[in-house]
Amino acid sequence: ETGVTQTPRHLVMGMTNKKSLKCEQHLGHNAMYWYKQSAKKPLELMFVYSLEERVENNSVPSRFSPECPNSSHLFLHLHTLQPEDSALYLCASSQGSGQTTDTQYFGPGTRLTVL
Amino acid sequence: KQEVTQIPAALSVPEGENLVLNCSFTDSAIYNLQWFRQDPGKGLTSLLLIQSSQREQTSGRLNASLDKSSGRSTLYIAASQPGDSATYLCAVPPYNTDKLIFGTGTRLQVFP
Repeated sequence: ETGVTQTPRHLVMGMTNKKSLKCEQHLGHNAMYWYKQSAKKPLELMFVYSLEERVENNSVPSRFSPECPNSSHLFLHLHTLQPEDSALYLCASSQGSGQTTDTQYFGPGTRLTVL
Repeated sequence: KQEVTQIPAALSVPEGENLVLNCSFTDSAIYNLQWFRQDPGKGLTSLLLIQSSQREQTSGRLNASLDKSSGRSTLYIAASQPGDSATYLCAVPPYNTDKLIFGTGTRLQVFP
């Protein structure tokens, strides 16, 4: 256990559905991240939050909407997704302010399938 | 644009062998280089982080080296065990960014 939990672990949704992914970290960290891992592609950073403020957004489509209500929780709200959005979505946290000199601790991921 | 390549993409070896996994990156302006392990369907576990000023880091049977000028890192696994079976990812944070650039990984299988 890394101290980062994600729910649900698996999610199947239609293109017209709205769902949310949840991430919680029990490490007292200040920064949280969302990554997307597609088959045969490198892990891609989607969003970075530092002290509940978004500091990085890598041109992610607006059908993905992050929310960070406090430093321990991070959500990814999903709506009108496409089949190509099917992937493993990983959450991570780090102690610092989101700089990549910090070690990131990853959750187990949510396996998303969009039909 | 930073690109990270890992060779080989997959590796299958008998237990007990010493292994070398390779990672190369195109831009040597990096803060550090990180090695992660990912078990099937799971998240990543940080293994080693080498600062740009360092040449190597060791943790148990793992040793990672960094040659920033040539854009290369190797992960050496001594006396491999079936429990080492996983995908190994390297990642680098370029200067002036807040993100890690990952390679596509090396999928390792160690059989008894």
